Amino acid sequence: DQQVKQNSPSLSVQEGRISILNCDYTNSMFDYFLWYKKYPAEGPTFLISISSIKDKNEDGRFTVFLNKSAKHLSLHIVPSQPGDSAVYFCAANYGGAQKLVFGQGTRLTINP
Amino acid sequence: ETGVTQSPTHLIKTRGQQVTLRCSSQSGHNTVSWYQQALGQGPQFIFQYYREEENGRGNFPPRFSGLQFPNYSSELNVNALELDDSALYLCASSSFGRDQETQYFGPGTRLLVL
Repeated sequence: DQQVKQNSPSLSVQEGRISILNCDYTNSMFDYFLWYKKYPAEGPTFLISISSIKDKNEDGRFTVFLNKSAKHLSLHIVPSQPGDSAVYFCAANYGGAQKLVFGQGTRLTINP
Repeated sequence: ETGVTQSPTHLIKTRGQQVTLRCSSQSGHNTVSWYQQALGQGPQFIFQYYREEENGRGNFPPRFSGLQFPNYSSELNVNALELDDSALYLCASSSFGRDQETQYFGPGTRLLVL
């Protein structure tokens, strides 16, 4: 039962353009969503989060959009830079609770 | 501010053995969570510790156990290792009651069971 899904295993974007990573969820109880970036041989690094009471949160080049009716969130990176090449995970939880439920990840490659 | 640290970085064990992994939480954090990440998958929640007690558990058997110490550091113990236990084990810390939803991860311990 995959409650958080990232349907694109990989994405390739040209440097300077916009990268859009997508995530769908099935559990309507989720009320907090996060994006993490992971480089090889490192742990996931927190990027940005959004509460279910909002539909957009922005931090520098990163913006997360939440569409609760569609149970869908997306991460926009503008402009994309070579250092953004990594695996991106979306995660969700509810009730301020213990566990984060992760998607399978999307490998983003930024081409020069 | 000191981040989350884990030891060892890599470990090789044989089936049936026992292993202990260690984690030091980020300064100011009082909660530690453990995750297992198999190859090509997202991290899966094992359990969380707060105030030295288990505070939630995922779908893992009892041979996965843990401890949290008064300084908020933590151990993950796995008994009777199986080949499928080969994975990256991640520790994450957070602060219960303040921005508690955001967990900050360590670099992980890569375990190989032969």
